[in-house]
Amino acid sequence: DAKTTQPPSMDCAEGRAANLPCNHSTISGNEYVYWYRQIHSQGPQYIIHGLKNNETNEMASLIITEDRKSSTLILPHATLRDTAVYYCFRTYKYIFGTGTRLKVLA
Amino acid sequence: DTGVSQDPRHKITKRGQNVTFRCDPISEHNRLYWYRQTLGQGPEFLTYFQNEAQLEKSRLLSDRFSAERPKGSFSTLEIQRTEQGDSAMYLCASSLPTGAMWETQYFGPGTRLLVL
Repeated sequence: DAKTTQPPSMDCAEGRAANLPCNHSTISGNEYVYWYRQIHSQGPQYIIHGLKNNETNEMASLIITEDRKSSTLILPHATLRDTAVYYCFRTYKYIFGTGTRLKVLA
Repeated sequence: DTGVSQDPRHKITKRGQNVTFRCDPISEHNRLYWYRQTLGQGPEFLTYFQNEAQLEKSRLLSDRFSAERPKGSFSTLEIQRTEQGDSAMYLCASSLPTGAMWETQYFGPGTRLLVL
């Protein structure tokens, strides 16, 4: 079972950090974790990916637990434009998570 | 714009009709993927091409669905005898060969299909 689960929704105050978790307990050793976001009616937009180590780019940070069974996407200073559905994505079998609808509040 | 493009963006059809969607990947991306996304759900993998070879198909890709990538550039996805359950967003993505096992996929805007 390659089910990848995320909380269905989260709210975050503008300017605060948004921490979005993903559970991928059945992930295999060479399988990457990717994060995408989808703004209404658009295609998913790539954010960040990682294998074992924590990663950071201009958009976000990715924290992967040592056992690799879960990860957290961190948007360090959320803005209203970050309101979207966020998906974690597993490269084996190309499986998207259940998605978290993040609402950034002014 | 040099991103993934899809055509048409919207399609309304009657049950039983055939429809065809086109995807143009980012230039030099040799891998191309199709996904389906129903309302409120995440995208679901349908099929994947490397150049013109269709290397993987999901069990979601029923006999009424066929995808092609004849010259290793653009791809088409055809649905025959459409059913109301085919109503969804059809997403295309492409990736650049890096030599790694997994590559970052870049998505197009999608084609939204409504079957009446």
